Amino acid sequence: GAGVSQSPSNKVTEKGKDVELRCDPISGHTALYWYRQSLGQGLEFLIYFQGNSAPDKSGLPSDRFSAERTGGSVSTLTIQRTQQEDSAVYLCASSNQLASNEQFFGPGTRLTVL
Amino acid sequence: AQSVSQHNHHVILSEAASLELGCNYSYGGTVNLFWYVQYPGQHLQLLLKYFSGDPLVKGIKGFEAEFIKSKFSFNLRKPSVQWSDTAEYFCAVNAGGYSTLTFGKGTMLLVSP
Repeated sequence: GAGVSQSPSNKVTEKGKDVELRCDPISGHTALYWYRQSLGQGLEFLIYFQGNSAPDKSGLPSDRFSAERTGGSVSTLTIQRTQQEDSAVYLCASSNQLASNEQFFGPGTRLTVL
Repeated sequence: AQSVSQHNHHVILSEAASLELGCNYSYGGTVNLFWYVQYPGQHLQLLLKYFSGDPLVKGIKGFEAEFIKSKFSFNLRKPSVQWSDTAEYFCAVNAGGYSTLTFGKGTMLLVSP
C-alpha cells in the first residue's frame, strides 16, 4: 500500500478484556516499530522488529503487552487484561533501513479502556 | 539512555510571527535528529531530519532546523507562521546506531489568524 495502515482506528473495551491491534507496514520495509502516545506524555517506544532478528521488547511496559510480526510484514500488538492506564493512541511505524532511518507512521489506533 | 527535552508545551502565535521551538537531547555520541509534525486529525509526518553534513537543514513548508552539537540542540524555526501551521510538533533522536526513536513530549502550536 501507499502508507502504513492500522486497524481498528478506534477500540473501546472494558477493563480486563484482551485487545489486538494490527499494523500493515509499507511494502518492502524491513523494520517495524510500535509506539504509544498518551496525552501530555509524547510518544513512548514499545517494541521494534528488524527483519528476522529477535525483536527489541525493551519498551514494553508490562508482561501484559506482547507483539508479533508474521512473515516479516503484518504485526499484531496484543494487550491482555487491559487496564485504564492502557488508554492511549498506539502508533505503528515502518522504515527501510537499507535506505534511511526515516520512520513512516500510521494513523494509529485509539484505545479506550473503560 | 538518550532523552529529548522540548522547552515549551504550548506556544500561541499570531500569523506572520516568527517561530522557534527548542529541542535538546542528551547523548554524547553520534545522533540522527528529526522533527515530526502532527496536524489535527492527521498522523505523524516527517518535517525534516539531520543525519550529517550541513547542520542547517531545510524541511517542508518553510521549516528549518539547526543542529548545534556543542549545545546538544536541534531547534526548529520558521520565519513567518501561517494558521495552517497549527499542529503538534515532536522532536526525536535516534542515537548510537540504535534504530528506535526517542521523542520529546511535543509542543502544541496554535496560530491565530
